[in-house]
Amino acid sequence: GAVVSQHPSWVICKSGTSVKIECRSLDFQATTMFWYRQFPKQSLMLMATSNEGSKATYEQGVEKDKFLINHASLTLSTLTVTSAHPEDSSFYICSAFPTPSYEQYFGPGTRLTVT
Amino acid sequence: AQSVTQLDSQVPVFEEAPVELRCNYSSSVSVYLFWYVQYPNQGLQLLLKYLSGSTLVESINGFEAEFNKSQTSFHLRKPSVHISDTAEYFCAVSKNSGGSNYKLTFGKGTLLTVNP
Repeated sequence: GAVVSQHPSWVICKSGTSVKIECRSLDFQATTMFWYRQFPKQSLMLMATSNEGSKATYEQGVEKDKFLINHASLTLSTLTVTSAHPEDSSFYICSAFPTPSYEQYFGPGTRLTVT
Repeated sequence: AQSVTQLDSQVPVFEEAPVELRCNYSSSVSVYLFWYVQYPNQGLQLLLKYLSGSTLVESINGFEAEFNKSQTSFHLRKPSVHISDTAEYFCAVSKNSGGSNYKLTFGKGTLLTVNP
């Protein structure tokens, strides 16, 4: 089956610094990837749609200057949390979307803790 | 826009008992329906999906879900649960059209706890 990896699985950073999270599709090409955020004991909230070779599309209420998304290749999308603050602490999950396909494959998630 | 309602935030059951996790959705267009399972500190795994055809869909580990268009429901059932089924279960919908319209809308999740 299709495999999606995320790196790192867990990161701790200090307030004010930036952190980059990678999402890779290991055995398929993904023209579209999605980034989700999950707060403890809550559902996933879609943050943005990442399209290879073009700008990401952000959901309403998500700060595009704070959450920078780059989909530089058909197998890699990155999410950079800039000037992180404690309220950015969360579980970030990506999914990759093979084309043509209706089904998304999810990464294992990255837990970000901002101190 | 679509929305998903999972009526129960927590469902405790005893091992080998049957269980039903409820899911209702709202959409103005045709949708695909999914159930995902999330074990602690892990990502989501697809449990089963409804795309078209038979309204009853099954997973390899004994779960099944039935699409009921008139009631806009997609409840998840298992006749006999195991301790290992303890997890968070998410119901999700997407438009059944192409490209980024496949983005998922999730329910708030149901924590299934199976007790010995």
